[in-house]
Amino acid sequence: GAVVSQHPSRVICKSGTSVKIECRSLDFQATTMFWYRQFPKKSLMLMATSNEGSKATYEQGVEKDKFLINHASLTLSTLTVTSAHPEDSSFYICSAKGQGFSGELFFGEGSRLTVL
Amino acid sequence: QKEVEQNSGPLSVPEGAIASLNCTYSDRGSQSFFWYRQYSGKSPELIMFIYSNGDKEDGRFTAQLNKASQYVSLLIRDSQPSDSATYLCAVSKSGGYNKLIFGAGTRLAVHP
Repeated sequence: GAVVSQHPSRVICKSGTSVKIECRSLDFQATTMFWYRQFPKKSLMLMATSNEGSKATYEQGVEKDKFLINHASLTLSTLTVTSAHPEDSSFYICSAKGQGFSGELFFGEGSRLTVL
Repeated sequence: QKEVEQNSGPLSVPEGAIASLNCTYSDRGSQSFFWYRQYSGKSPELIMFIYSNGDKEDGRFTAQLNKASQYVSLLIRDSQPSDSATYLCAVSKSGGYNKLIFGAGTRLAVHP
């Protein structure tokens, strides 16, 4: 299957700082990427859909000014958590849908954010 | 009503038995259905997808889809301890972009 790489895998930051998470499709062009958030023992919650070259579409209840998403190329999407607070601590996972695939998503390794 | 519902478990089965995982969904227009496996602290990995009513087999795994009943299941034959994980059912919503909505997952424990 296709490979999606996410970086960093773990990040610890102080409250009030901003954190950027990168998601790259390594061997295919990802026209659409999705960002999910997962709390312990809970399912994945879709945060937003990003399409290359256009603005992200956020799910209801997700603050677009707090979670900035940029999909500047067909292989890279970034999620920036701005002015992070302890309640933003979570497991963030990106996924990508490639051209020519049957609709399945390929997931990155995930990024565990801890805000102190 | 949740869009995708799964029994949270844990579902405990002995090694070598068949594990049966179930999922129901609310959007009748859903077109694609996926099963992912997630180990603790890791991201999900795709096991199978199914589009058409009926059964689809891949090795020890069989996915079953019944669109009339809005029901999809995953059978794992000859369960192994390494199959112990949380299994997530995901449904592709109608309307483009292949946005996947996930159920809460069923935790499977296979004991020797």
